[in-house]
Amino acid sequence: AQTVTQSQPEMSVQEAETVTLSCTYDTSESDYYLFWYKQPPSRQMILVIRQEAYKQQNATENRFSVNFQKAAKSFSLKISDSQLGDAAMYFCAYRSVWGNYGGATNKLIFGTGTLLAVQP
Amino acid sequence: DAGITQSPRHKVTETGTPVTLRCHQTENHRYMYWYRQDPGHGLRLIHYSYGVKDTDKGEVSDGYSVSRSKTEDFLLTLESATSSQTSVYFCAIQSGHDTGELFFGEGSRLTVL
Repeated sequence: AQTVTQSQPEMSVQEAETVTLSCTYDTSESDYYLFWYKQPPSRQMILVIRQEAYKQQNATENRFSVNFQKAAKSFSLKISDSQLGDAAMYFCAYRSVWGNYGGATNKLIFGTGTLLAVQP
Repeated sequence: DAGITQSPRHKVTETGTPVTLRCHQTENHRYMYWYRQDPGHGLRLIHYSYGVKDTDKGEVSDGYSVSRSKTEDFLLTLESATSSQTSVYFCAIQSGHDTGELFFGEGSRLTVL
């Protein structure tokens, strides 16, 4: 079974600085999706960024980028120029690509989350 | 906006009472999910549905049942609520067949006294 591990329960960053959140996963599959979700105090789950495992190029969305190391099964999130609004819980998640064809593999498997504080 | 609404958003109940949470979607998506969120555990899958009357268990399904009698509604029922079921419950839909991400409702906070 696949697992997702976030080893940093809490992190802190100064406004305008850069921070990296770590995520590792375990799978025997060669093709899959990885995601970072953000959960601010409003509790809403917001998709931050997505990576397809077959793509070697790291995904980027504005100030958010990932470092995807497939062999090491590592998927870290880098937030550049941190802003107060980035303060939130961040979840790493995995999904098998076979979920495209239905069944139990459709589900997302989440890590336990990293709570990010942004200091002014 | 993925068109997902959950109700109720907050509920306090007593041990042993039945509780039903409702998830409603407006976009006719096939796959719907119920997750629970607890500190130190992230989000864990309770049940999911892959079509009308087609449901299956997730990793923490004990004490929960679901029903999907029409595409737009996915109900989560706690037949006899226990304090261990105090949690925040999220409904999600899979939108975008080739992209794989889920879109979530705003969550329902349930407190069982």
